[in-house]
Amino acid sequence: KAGVTQTPRYLIKTRGQQVTLSCSPISGHRSVSWYQQTPGQGLQFLFEYFSETQRNKGNFPGRFSGRQFSNSRSEMNVSTLELGDSALYLCASSLAGRAYDTQYFGPGTRLTVL
Amino acid sequence: DQQVKQNSPSLSVQEGRISILNCDYTNSMFDYFLWYKKYPAEGPTFLISISSIKDKNEDGRFTVFLNKSAKHLSLHIVPSQPGDSAVYFCAAIVDRGSTLGRLYFGRGTQLTVWP
Repeated sequence: KAGVTQTPRYLIKTRGQQVTLSCSPISGHRSVSWYQQTPGQGLQFLFEYFSETQRNKGNFPGRFSGRQFSNSRSEMNVSTLELGDSALYLCASSLAGRAYDTQYFGPGTRLTVL
Repeated sequence: DQQVKQNSPSLSVQEGRISILNCDYTNSMFDYFLWYKKYPAEGPTFLISISSIKDKNEDGRFTVFLNKSAKHLSLHIVPSQPGDSAVYFCAAIVDRGSTLGRLYFGRGTQLTVWP
């Protein structure tokens, strides 16, 4: 069974630009969560989608948005990039996001904002 | 507000010995606790979990202990192997309401196992 895939793996952007990251979950998984990892803050929750609906959202500004498609693939978008958005963005998929549904992570997208 | 805390950023252990990684939490609503292992340039990999109604869960060399009254859990690795060298994240989840699918992570402990 294929794992969680994320594209692209690396991205370099300049301040003010926008970026779209993609996540393909494990087949059959309907929940996709996004996390931002930075050295100072660790793994911070961005948002979670289940069956194309955002179920909950972390404490990030409105510049961070996402969506999920009918095939459970998910995208996140960051508009008006800032230097502080440089981070590893991880997505995780699980069957339904319940506590006993193991969340499997992708390799991440490394975003650098110059 | 860090609801899951790993106060030791690093731990160094000799091969064959026991590694003990600690984690504290503040939210009594957590239903499940998990440990993930992360190598550089890879996403976190699930290791072991424990429900809040249990106090111990074992899987091979890995055992997780939960002390609810102290809001503390620990991961024991016995025996430790050089391949265990990685960053270990403690995580927790509330299994109801508006927080489904959300893992709360600690900041991680870098484990180094030396020969």
